[in-house]
Amino acid sequence: QVTLKESGPAVVKPTQTLTLTCTFSGFSLNTNGMCVSWIRQPPGKALEWLARIEWDDYKSYSTSLKTRLTISKDTSKNQVVLAMTNMDPVDTATYYCARMRVGVYDAFDIWGQGTVVTVSS
Amino acid sequence: QSALTQPPSASGSPGQSVTISCTGTSSDVGYYNYISWYQQHPDKAPKLIIYEVSKRPSGVPDRFSGSKSGNTASLTVSGLQTEDEADYYCNAYAGATNPYVFGTGTKVTVL
Repeated sequence: QVTLKESGPAVVKPTQTLTLTCTFSGFSLNTNGMCVSWIRQPPGKALEWLARIEWDDYKSYSTSLKTRLTISKDTSKNQVVLAMTNMDPVDTATYYCARMRVGVYDAFDIWGQGTVVTVSS
Repeated sequence: QSALTQPPSASGSPGQSVTISCTGTSSDVGYYNYISWYQQHPDKAPKLIIYEVSKRPSGVPDRFSGSKSGNTASLTVSGLQTEDEADYYCNAYAGATNPYVFGTGTKVTVL
């Protein structure tokens, strides 16, 4: 069974750096074609794709947030980490991680439950 | 990269069909066939229901179908059921520079 679960602080202060961890099971990020993305959703608003890391450690980022994001993986721990710098109240959202298998399902086929992050002083 | 445009709402009675549009540009929807659709119930994570324009993952009812024409993709839900009441989002691949863009979302109401 494939599962993903996000973890991190529920509240961060403006200007701080947010660090989120996606812990997954049921697949390996060493497998050809496997990717994990981060996606967020502000309250009552649409989904927004943030970043992706691929099995070969290739990374891609949202153009609008690229300067603030860093994605990394630890395959031994089955974890993907997202860091977002200089947090602002507009970054308040539910943050999801999701799997993609390039060449199988070129889409986000399994999602975590999401973790709510509030940016407030 | 601007979000793909979806109508804010759509509705239909049980048993009817509803179609949701997703309009992008010649650089995303119109160029690649990596169009996917997600269903999201309140306070739940999104669920993949259509990938690569018209393919359904296993377990997704064939009442859900997808298509594309030019820069617009569409999701049709046939034989509406009460459990289809949810928000629906499209997503398109837009190239290596800024790979993925989501739609603005459509709330489907079953009357």
